[in-house]
Amino acid sequence: AQTVTQSQPEMSVQEAETVTLSCTYDTSESDYYLFWYKQPPSRQMILVIRQEAYKQQNATENRFSVNFQKAAKSFSLKISDSQLGDAAMYFCAPLRAQKLVFGQGTRLTINP
Amino acid sequence: SQTIHQWPATLVQPVGSPLSLECTVEGTSNPNLYWYRQAAGRGLQLLFYSVGIGQISSEVPQNLSASRPQDRQFILSSKKLLLSDSGFYLCASKQGPYNSPLHFGNGTRLTVT
Repeated sequence: AQTVTQSQPEMSVQEAETVTLSCTYDTSESDYYLFWYKQPPSRQMILVIRQEAYKQQNATENRFSVNFQKAAKSFSLKISDSQLGDAAMYFCAPLRAQKLVFGQGTRLTINP
Repeated sequence: SQTIHQWPATLVQPVGSPLSLECTVEGTSNPNLYWYRQAAGRGLQLLFYSVGIGQISSEVPQNLSASRPQDRQFILSSKKLLLSDSGFYLCASKQGPYNSPLHFGNGTRLTVT
């Protein structure tokens, strides 16, 4: 079974600062896809960013970017210029056989 | 774009009672559909997924079942609820290329008393 490890149950950051959330995973496949989702207090699951494993370039979406280290099976999320609206649970999720496998999540708090 | 409707939003049911949660999808056809459960403060666990009408795959043995009577309708059921069935249930839809993301409904919070 594929496992996903998010080693930081909770993180906090000062507003406008940068924070990095870590994620490692295991897989025997060479081509796959990785996603980060956020879940604010409303509990709606919102796609943040995705990465194709065959692409060496790290994905970027506005203030969100990833550091994808394929050999290390690491997929961290960097949030720049943190805003109060970024407060949420963040989940790393590799896609395998058309199914997302979720980590346990990191709760991110933004301090004003 | 896809819209996923789930109802009810919250539900309180006694142990031993039946359950039926419904999910319908708009804005797409022939999607893959998923039921996930989330325990308090935890990640999402995949319960069932479906690639087409009448095609259901179960990911974990449990007290629940799923059905897909129509292309864009996915139902989660139980004949007799257990306390351990309490949780937050999310329906998701996926359509398009392999790397397409899942789109989620707003979820149902189920409390079994």
